[in-house]
Amino acid sequence: AQTIHQWPVAEIKAVGSPLSLGCTIKGKSSPNLYWYWQATGGTLQQLFYSITVGQVESVVQLNLSASRPKDDQFILSTEKLLLSHSGFYLCAWSTSNERLFFGHGTKLSVL
Amino acid sequence: SQWGEENLQALSIQEGEDVTMNCSYKTYTTVVHWYRQDSGRGPALIILIRSNEREKRSGRLRATLDTSSQSSSLSITAAQCEDTAVYFCATRTGGYKVVFGSGTRLLVSP
Repeated sequence: AQTIHQWPVAEIKAVGSPLSLGCTIKGKSSPNLYWYWQATGGTLQQLFYSITVGQVESVVQLNLSASRPKDDQFILSTEKLLLSHSGFYLCAWSTSNERLFFGHGTKLSVL
Repeated sequence: SQWGEENLQALSIQEGEDVTMNCSYKTYTTVVHWYRQDSGRGPALIILIRSNEREKRSGRLRATLDTSSQSSSLSITAAQCEDTAVYFCATRTGGYKVVFGSGTRLLVSP
């Protein structure tokens, strides 16, 4: 069975500090990977997707970057956090352009 | 109804009632996904409907799709307290871009 693990579960960070969030998928070879951001009480906004190792496509510009260093790993990062980065970050995987399988998410509070 | 960047809608009903949530989408699609998100968790797919299906049922869930009006609906029959959650529709707008609707927060009270 496939599993998706996001880390950390929650973060409290200062404005201007760096950030790195991670996501690992086990039990699935070459999945399509996605990062979403969700404001409190809001919808999901797609940030990035990746269909293969080393290749990441940006969907919206939010002063964030993403990388896929391994087939099963997706990293979201920034060197300088903004207040507007607060929210819920969700990683997801899919195959064959069908349903998305989401992780449990990371709650980020920027103060 | 829900789409894009609008705020979450809220619906409050009593247990046993039926409820319908609507979704309209902007770009041609061949499938609409409906996800459920429980508080503090990631969304999970509950039903998907394809363009060649005008209606799809799964237990107490019923989804419809009208490609001519680019709209979809999700109905829950005899809602129960455990149906309390946020519900989103989602469509693929091309390639690997998946757009979620604004969502409906459903509260089912005993």
